[in-house]
Amino acid sequence: GAVVSQHPSRVICKSGTSVKIECRSLDFQATTMFWYRQFPKQSLMLMATSNEGSKATYEQGVEKDKFLINHASLTLSTLTVTSAHPEDSSFYICSALVGIEQPQHFGDGTRLSIL
Amino acid sequence: GNSVTQMEGPVTLSEEAFLTINCTYTATGYPSLFWYVQYPGEGLQLLLKATKADDKGSNKGFEATYRKETTSFHLEKGSVQVSDSAVYFCALQYAGTALIFGKGTTLSVSS
Repeated sequence: GAVVSQHPSRVICKSGTSVKIECRSLDFQATTMFWYRQFPKQSLMLMATSNEGSKATYEQGVEKDKFLINHASLTLSTLTVTSAHPEDSSFYICSALVGIEQPQHFGDGTRLSIL
Repeated sequence: GNSVTQMEGPVTLSEEAFLTINCTYTATGYPSLFWYVQYPGEGLQLLLKATKADDKGSNKGFEATYRKETTSFHLEKGSVQVSDSAVYFCALQYAGTALIFGKGTTLSVSS
């Protein structure tokens, strides 16, 4: 089946650091990937839709200059949290669309902790 | 707007008990409906799906039926196991778009 690899799985870093999270589709091409954020014991909230070769579409309230998304190839999307602060600590999960009528496949998520 | 409402948890059951987790949705048109499961410290796994009214999704003993008349997609399992302990998310999706999730329901099964 379709596999999505997300890396790193866990990051702990100091405030002010920029952190890059990668989301790769291993055995299929994904023109569209999604980035979600999950706070402890809460649901997943869509942050942005990442389309290969074009600018990401951000949800209302998500700072595009804070959360930089690059989808440079059909198998890789990256989320960079710039100048991270403790309030950015969260669980970030990506997903990829295999096809229009197919369910999304999720990465294992990245737990980001900013000290 | 489109939304998904799940029953509040946590749900605490003994092994072999019957499970129901209620899910209702608000949407226009005909979205696909999903149940995802999240084990502690892990990402999301697709549990089952249904793409049109009256479809029944099933997997690993779990079932859910797409009920358009009641806008529901309740998750059921006849006999739960300790290994079923996890957070369950109901979600809807229109073709090619992002998922809209419910808040999740924590299931805890004890032996």
